[in-house]
Amino acid sequence: AQKVTQAQTEISVVEKEDVTLDCVYETRDTTYYLFWYKQPPSGELVFLIRRNSFDEQNEISGRYSWNFQKSTSSFNFTITASQVVDSAVYFCALSPPPYNAGGTSYGKLTFGQGTILTVHP
Amino acid sequence: GAGVSQSPRYKVAKRGQDVALRCDPISGHVSLFWYQQALGQGPEFLTYFQNEAQLDKSGLPSDRFFAERPEGSVSTLKIQRTQQEDSAVYLCASSSRPAPGEDNEKLFFGSGTQLSVL
Repeated sequence: AQKVTQAQTEISVVEKEDVTLDCVYETRDTTYYLFWYKQPPSGELVFLIRRNSFDEQNEISGRYSWNFQKSTSSFNFTITASQVVDSAVYFCALSPPPYNAGGTSYGKLTFGQGTILTVHP
Repeated sequence: GAGVSQSPRYKVAKRGQDVALRCDPISGHVSLFWYQQALGQGPEFLTYFQNEAQLDKSGLPSDRFFAERPEGSVSTLKIQRTQQEDSAVYLCASSSRPAPGEDNEKLFFGSGTQLSVL
């Protein structure tokens, strides 16, 4: 069984502060994918990043960075110099590989409960 | 259209009514997923289609839930005899590949249908 835990239900920061969203996962798969999605008030989930379990390199994309630590089963997300437009619900998600032994898993996603991020001006 | 389109955006149903929720995926997308998102929770998998074939329906919570994609494009999620616990946002997502992540292809989500059962 797969499980994703986002312990922070809500985070509130002031603009320009750095903020880190935590994500801890559980899986028995040796290969898996980790994702972060952003859900603005409009409702659609916006893809931010996908990481393969074999690739533990940290990644930076503009003000966003991700810290993948396989040893602690964590995949944390940091926003540097936060902006009001970053206010949204953020979801961490886990999927098995698209094709696993014995059949196909279709890469269906297991989501965490989400973290509501509010950035105040 | 440019993205995944879902209709209606909001649906209010009386307990016991049947409802039908529509998803128009991005044109040509092979994979289509339905997810259920309860208030304050993350989305939970309901069912998966590859073209017109429903290959996984393990997440459907009861036999009152039924999904179809007869021509491999538009999909409909039908809920019979709605109950209050069915109140949630129903999200549809599509991908050009058989599985999201394959060949680094993304999964595109619609804005969802918010269902309220009174």
